[in-house]
Amino acid sequence: QVQLVESGGGVVQPGGSLRLSCAASGFTFSSYGMHWVRQAPGKGLEWVAFIRYDGSNKYYADSVKGRFTISRDNSKNTLYLQMNSLRAEDTAVYYCAKDFHIAAAGTDAFDIWGQGTMVTVSS
Amino acid sequence: AIRMTQSPSSLSASTGDRVTITCRASQGISSYLAWYQQKPGKAPKLLIYAASTLQSGVPSRFSGSGSGTDFTLTISCLQSEDFATYYCQQYYSYLALTFGGGTKVEIK
Repeated sequence: QVQLVESGGGVVQPGGSLRLSCAASGFTFSSYGMHWVRQAPGKGLEWVAFIRYDGSNKYYADSVKGRFTISRDNSKNTLYLQMNSLRAEDTAVYYCAKDFHIAAAGTDAFDIWGQGTMVTVSS
Repeated sequence: AIRMTQSPSSLSASTGDRVTITCRASQGISSYLAWYQQKPGKAPKLLIYAASTLQSGVPSRFSGSGSGTDFTLTISCLQSEDFATYYCQQYYSYLALTFGGGTKVEIK
């Protein structure tokens, strides 16, 4: 079945780095734009980053621009989020999510979400 | 960035009630609006996209309406499994997608 599985979360000190992965299965990964969305404990949803189906365009929330990098490997059906210069306010559950429609340019709803991976930034 | 304002932030209702949640965009977003349901410890689930189109498999008691800046999610007859938090999301501005603050639907 269609599935997204995140991994790579953990506890990291402020200023540290972490790389999240999202393994996709059950659909043609290379045909869909992908997103990262986060949710701080007890808070709402915050969109973090988008990458076009072919990797040609990437967009970021202002809160992570210059510190986070989204990428994908279509040969491995895997999405990544490289997080550098981490801050306490980056503490959250990070979800990967799939664009609903094929080859959408980022202006789409998210029809499939992973289960999330927790990132805690603390000394 | 386009700001999405949901109201109320929480509500108490009983099984069988009709529930309405509103979402207002700070600028026009046409019909580029989605609604999600999230239960504690779970990922969000897509309920409605394009403001009023029901996602496959979602019960027909859920409906969405609106365009431009004002949108509504209605649950016509609240069921026990509907107690959750609901979020609206605009996807008009691909440079910065934004969610509303959420509406928690609790049991009265």
